[in-house]
Order: sequence, then structure tokens, then C-alpha cells
Amino acid sequence: DVKVTQSSRYLVKRTGEKVFLECVQDMDHENMFWYRQDPGLGLRLIYFSYDVKMKEKGDIPEGYSVSREKKERFSLILESASTNQTSMYLCASSGASGYTDTQYFGPGTRLTVL
Amino acid sequence: SQKIEQNSEALNIQEGKTATLTCNYTNYSPAYLQWYRQDPGRGPVFLLLIRENEKEKRKERLKVTFDTTLKQSLFHITASQPADSATYLCALAFYGNNRLAFGKGNQVVVIP
Repeated sequence: DVKVTQSSRYLVKRTGEKVFLECVQDMDHENMFWYRQDPGLGLRLIYFSYDVKMKEKGDIPEGYSVSREKKERFSLILESASTNQTSMYLCASSGASGYTDTQYFGPGTRLTVL
Repeated sequence: SQKIEQNSEALNIQEGKTATLTCNYTNYSPAYLQWYRQDPGRGPVFLLLIRENEKEKRKERLKVTFDTTLKQSLFHITASQPADSATYLCALAFYGNNRLAFGKGNQVVVIP
């Protein structure tokens, strides 16, 4: 079974703090994704990566950066957390090539910025 | 830009009946379409995939149809059970793109 783990289920940070969210997958997947999910807005893609050290902006990259130094790990960084970044953050991974790759999601991190 | 529409109102359905959810999209037709289930506070879980050249796909009590002319997919849960209560998301994939475009999801509540 594919397993995607996220470093924390719940996180509380203060405005202006630098925040790291970690995601690890164990299926040797090439693609990894970071989403945020808010009521009424659905899943929105922040960044994704299709290979080590490669990244592409999603639909809402502002205020975020990412790092992928190893294939199994994809980190989301909030450089200076703000209250409007309070949200559920979901990481996902999928295999390479083709148009049928299912995305496997982690359990999510509920981040609150005070 | 691509728009994906799922009903924002929850579907309340009696146990044993068939729940039917709709996913409509505009503009470009996807190479394939996926359906996911999401429980509160959890990540989505993949259920079914249907390709553009397929009309129907089944898995146990689930059935998905795909009509590229209507730009619509229907998702059916037959003989629904309270354990089927969740939010169901459709997701579209396009050629040359390893992203998925997700709908906002449609909540199903199965009443015992």
C-alpha cells in the first residue's frame, strides 16, 4: 500500500513565523503535490514537483515555497506565516508518465496561524 | 479557464437507495476523469477512474459514466449505506499535464 505521511496533524504558529510542512512518500513516485483546502473553495494546488529539485507553481503559490532534495520528501515552506494561511494542507504523490496516475494523499496538516 | 462544477448542496438519501452525483466541466475534454472520497479531516482517497473513450466503469456498488458530448460524469452509489456518507470529489486530467483539476466536492449523507 502506498503511504504518504505528513509531519504533523495539527500545528499552531504565530504570525511572522517560518513554518515547515514535511511530506514523505514510500512508493518511489516522481510527482508530489501540495494543496490547501478551505471550506467552499475546494482543493487548490500550491506547488508541485515532477522530479528531484524540480518544481512548478500551482494556482496559489504566493507566500509559499517548496523544496525537494530527495525523491521521497517534499517540503512546503511558509516564509512568514500570516493568518490567511490558516488552512488544511494536503500533500499527495503520483507515479510517473501516463495519464492515469492516481494521486495518493496524506492525512493532512491543519495549520492555525494566530 | 477550465471550470468544474459539482453540486454544493449536500445530497441526503435514504439507506438502500441509489445516490447520484454530477460532475460538469467546461472547455477542454479531459483525457480521463477520477472520483475520490473524502471523510472529514482526512485526505481524499481514490475510488474510480474512467477514460475519455469509456462510457461506464463499475466497482462493487459504485458506477461512473462519462459523456464527453455533454461534458459530464455521473457517479452512482447503489444500495447506499450510512458508511457511504462522505464528500465525493471529481478530478480531471489532461494530456501532457500531470496535474489534476479537482471539483469542490459534493457531500452525501445516507440516512439510516
